[in-house]
Amino acid sequence: SQWGEENLQALSIQEGEDVTMNCSYKTYTTVVQWYRQKSGKGPALIILIRSNEREKRSGRLRATLDTSSQSSSLSITGTLATDTAVYFCATESSALGRLHFGAGTQLIVIP
Amino acid sequence: EAGVTQSPRYAVLQEGQAVSFWCDPISGHDTLYWYQQPRDQGPQLLVYFRDEAVIDNSQLPSDRFSAVRPKGTNSTLKIQSAKQGDTATYLCASSFYWGGNTGQLYFGEGSKLTVL
Repeated sequence: SQWGEENLQALSIQEGEDVTMNCSYKTYTTVVQWYRQKSGKGPALIILIRSNEREKRSGRLRATLDTSSQSSSLSITGTLATDTAVYFCATESSALGRLHFGAGTQLIVIP
Repeated sequence: EAGVTQSPRYAVLQEGQAVSFWCDPISGHDTLYWYQQPRDQGPQLLVYFRDEAVIDNSQLPSDRFSAVRPKGTNSTLKIQSAKQGDTATYLCASSFYWGGNTGQLYFGEGSKLTVL
């Protein structure tokens, strides 16, 4: 892919553990959005980080952005069974004005 | 506030048949997107509109796929002569464009298409 992507993978962890997912992209982006998609539902935005931010927090979520290495990460602390979902990063170039989604990471949290 | 509504939720076709998917975006959102999501993959943009104008349809297989948004509100995505490779979930999303970055996209639950 030319744009944001994660290595398609499945992570299985125990409830209460912390987890980090990574996303790398190949071209400049002005923003990285992280979406969560639960089974049978559409993706929903969980956190957005802009190119002038290195870190963004929202509750148990923490996103980082390293523009020099063109990578972003999403961490979830104290996972819950309800965090079970596929997580996507989406990147945007102002030249295209559209979001491109990566392959996603399947997270399974075992109660 | 109502979310993005899509119908039908499911469709099963034989190869060669046609299908139309309908999307009602969030009221006031001027931008509407259609994404294709094959199983175990991320959403892939097919086309997007701002009001009734097509902004980017470069990824839309134009020979069999078409999309319209005639009044800048609801939208229809049509597949003519479906192929097995079209099997996927078709997601509609909407957003409000304020002139800067693409903001948050609000997705519908999708229309799952199976082509036998």
